[in-house]
Amino acid sequence: QSALTQPPSVSGSPGQSVTISCTGTSSDVGGYNRVSWYQQPPGTAPKLMIYEVSNRPSGVPDRFSGSKSGNTASLTISGLQAEDEADYYCNSYTSSSTYVFGTGTKVTVL
Amino acid sequence: EVRLVQSGAEVRKPGESLKISCKPSGYSFTSYWIGWVRQMPGKGLEWMGIISPSDSDTRYSPSFQGQVTISVDKSIRTAFLQWSSLKASDTAIYYCARVDHWNYCVDHWGQGTLVTVSS
Repeated sequence: QSALTQPPSVSGSPGQSVTISCTGTSSDVGGYNRVSWYQQPPGTAPKLMIYEVSNRPSGVPDRFSGSKSGNTASLTISGLQAEDEADYYCNSYTSSSTYVFGTGTKVTVL
Repeated sequence: EVRLVQSGAEVRKPGESLKISCKPSGYSFTSYWIGWVRQMPGKGLEWMGIISPSDSDTRYSPSFQGQVTISVDKSIRTAFLQWSSLKASDTAIYYCARVDHWNYCVDHWGQGTLVTVSS
């Protein structure tokens, strides 16, 4: 099971939008609407930001949104804020009834 | 309040064994799968495996099959991750995670256990 592919880094100025892609295969991302996204600031445990492609848990700002097309899922952060600077990971359910993470993306707020 | 409390940091020598724990609270222990996730220094998250506390059904990621053992003890509502012979490359932070299998995501995480393997 290979890790899902994410860009190593993305950056943007405060108020701008950034989008992180997450590319898998038809056995994971493309096969199910079961993609979630996690935010991990340095030195802390990850936090759930999006589940089932586009759903936000209670308490997550609506600046965070998710989508999917084919084998690629995306996380968009609109109105970027300094507090959004962190590592972000996608995660997908797989045809083996397990899960696989993405390679991770560092978001830098300029 | 849902909490997953993990055991403290460990330092071991190569070849030694180790068992770390994760004790959830605030919900029915047998209702949610528990997963273990590795994060090597400066690296990304990797699924090691998941276990159902209700029947101990366990699914390992291919990279970790045969390398670790995941288990639960329902009597003390605790999940475990163990190694029989540690390697220096096992140095990492290990997170336990509650898997919400209705929404196919991790909705709660433990605080992480740092395992250092060094001679």
